[in-house]
Amino acid sequence: QSVLTQPPSVSGAPGQRVTISCTGSYSNIGAGYEVHWYQQFPGTAPKLLIYGNTNRPSGVPDRFSGSKSGTSASLAITGLQAEDEADYYCQSYDTSLSGSRVFGTGTKVTVL
Amino acid sequence: QVQLQESGPGLVKPSQTLSLTCTVSGGSITSGNHYWTWIRQPAGKGLEWIGRFYTSGSTNYNPSLKSRVSISIDTSKNQFSLKLRSVTAADTAVYYCAVAGALNAFDIWGQGTMVTVSS
Repeated sequence: QSVLTQPPSVSGAPGQRVTISCTGSYSNIGAGYEVHWYQQFPGTAPKLLIYGNTNRPSGVPDRFSGSKSGTSASLAITGLQAEDEADYYCQSYDTSLSGSRVFGTGTKVTVL
Repeated sequence: QVQLQESGPGLVKPSQTLSLTCTVSGGSITSGNHYWTWIRQPAGKGLEWIGRFYTSGSTNYNPSLKSRVSISIDTSKNQFSLKLRSVTAADTAVYYCAVAGALNAFDIWGQGTMVTVSS
């Protein structure tokens, strides 16, 4: 059972803005640890989408953005495109789990 | 650009040891400060961090797997390996190797290898 909770699914029409929440606690996100986001298409390995709460690796479109506040973080996709339909995972560090890296429960984004 | 490739048996019998290797190409496994990591994903489920080997030689494991898992590196072969003992059907998953470096995030992943635990 993950310590980072995400909504199972979110959906939106092309061009719309969707957000995915990642809710943690004071032993992970709330303790100031960075949140990273990954995008995963069926049958493929996850790909780093956002690192260090808000940063995009080279090649990631600027319609993806990350934010963090308190014990939660969010991933926003503005100008949703059909190719954004995928699973998204947040990831952080948790002090209560002996220095474990932890992943969120995952969110399926559906483009209507 | 560093690339990772997992290899190992696709079928393991219950109670036996699952052994996988990740071959690193395009860079040295001993260079820089990197966390060589194993992550798994059961079919239709989320990602689970298994553990990591830091370049300095230290290791960290998921507490839920700590009693059964070990991760090591072979510098001569530029590889790192996962051993998971006493496996059960619950260990059936796609196993990924990944690396975290300067970004402190898993920015490079292998393609993943499916391991089924069954008699």
